[in-house]
Amino acid sequence: LAKTTQPISMDSYEGQEVNITCSHNNIATNDYITWYQQFPSQGPRFIIQGYKTKVTNEVASLFIPADRKSSTLSLPRVSLSDTAVYYCLVGDITYSSNTGKLIFGQGTTLQVKP
Amino acid sequence: EPEVTQTPSHQVTQMGQEVILRCVPISNHLYFYWYRQILGQKVEFLVSFYNNEISEKSEIFDDQFSVERPDGSNFTLKIRSTKLEDSAMYFCARRVPGGADEQFFGPGTRLTVL
Repeated sequence: LAKTTQPISMDSYEGQEVNITCSHNNIATNDYITWYQQFPSQGPRFIIQGYKTKVTNEVASLFIPADRKSSTLSLPRVSLSDTAVYYCLVGDITYSSNTGKLIFGQGTTLQVKP
Repeated sequence: EPEVTQTPSHQVTQMGQEVILRCVPISNHLYFYWYRQILGQKVEFLVSFYNNEISEKSEIFDDQFSVERPDGSNFTLKIRSTKLEDSAMYFCARRVPGGADEQFFGPGTRLTVL
């Protein structure tokens, strides 16, 4: 599983766009990039997943450059309720080749201020 | 969103006692996982369970841990002789094949070993 590096913490203000970058220099060809969110005393929650270029859903956007050695999670117009820990995970999601376990790092603690 | 529930929400036990944590109700799913999170630390993979068998376990998942699907729906994690360091949040998760590879986490059981 590719190792990921992301900032330990970030601060933002309500209404701003937040970009959290994750480095994964050793990403393999079959690896996908997945982001999870975790609120205090709750289980992680899937946010978004991508392989290359850009992926957008109702919650966030994920930007992946051509070399795939990094990715950026973009949260548009954050609110206080977006205060959480955000995890970047990289791994092969092919069912035939792995058990699907998730390996979490320390994540990025995002603090949104009023 | 597919729901994963866990019981109890909080379990307090004495060191050396056995505890059983439950993930209910689950039906028609093949992939299950248990994770734990010690307070202030990252989420750690314990074990994956595929088609009623353990498919992978971590170093943490030693002989004092076991998993079962006793009645085909409930999914349990048993800790035979709890230690102080077993105090943590324990999360059950299930994986949905097809589409984005995401895991749905339960709300967790907070285990406190005294």
